[in-house]
Amino acid sequence: KQEVTQIPAALSVPEGENLVLNCSFTDSAIYNLQWFRQDPGKGLTSLLLIQSSQREQTSGRLNASLDKSSGRSTLYIAASQPGDSATYLCAVRPTNAGKSTFGDGTTLTVKP
Amino acid sequence: SQTIHQWPATLVQPVGSPLSLECTVEGTSNPNLYWYRQAAGRGLQLLFYSVGIGQISSEVPQNLSASRPQDRQFILSSKKLLLSDSGFYLCAWSSNTEAFFGQGTRLTVV
Repeated sequence: KQEVTQIPAALSVPEGENLVLNCSFTDSAIYNLQWFRQDPGKGLTSLLLIQSSQREQTSGRLNASLDKSSGRSTLYIAASQPGDSATYLCAVRPTNAGKSTFGDGTTLTVKP
Repeated sequence: SQTIHQWPATLVQPVGSPLSLECTVEGTSNPNLYWYRQAAGRGLQLLFYSVGIGQISSEVPQNLSASRPQDRQFILSSKKLLLSDSGFYLCAWSSNTEAFFGQGTRLTVV
């Protein structure tokens, strides 16, 4: 059974810092990995999707990497801003039709 | 483009009352549809998923049920709510690659 872990559960940084969020999974036989952002009381917004054949994806100040063999993905946020404050979740899909397994998320606070 | 609608955003219901949460998807056909529940500060627990009309799979035993009367409509129901049904409910659909979520419904059972 796939297990997805996100450490730390919470992170607080000053504005302008570069930071890395971690996601680890136990079964490396994945189809893709997706990073989401969730604002308080809201749904999830997709940030980046990495297929199993890819090593990384970039969107603006965000960069997500994937190392299947070690069961890890990282989300790198450059030059953090207070507007980046949210909970970030990763989800691992086992096959193209499979159900994703979600981590519990990392709650990020960027202080002005 | 594809969009997903989920309503209502918040709901307060007395114990023992029925529940009906609705989710509709636009801009795609034959999507996989999901209902999740999220506890405070935690990840998502999959409740139901559907790969087609009338096809519902339940992931956990509970006081809830789901139905898919139309291709792009997914409904979460209960005949009699329990206090433990309180939570944040999220509807989602997925293509062969990505998953997309609704804005969620905060249900409080009092």
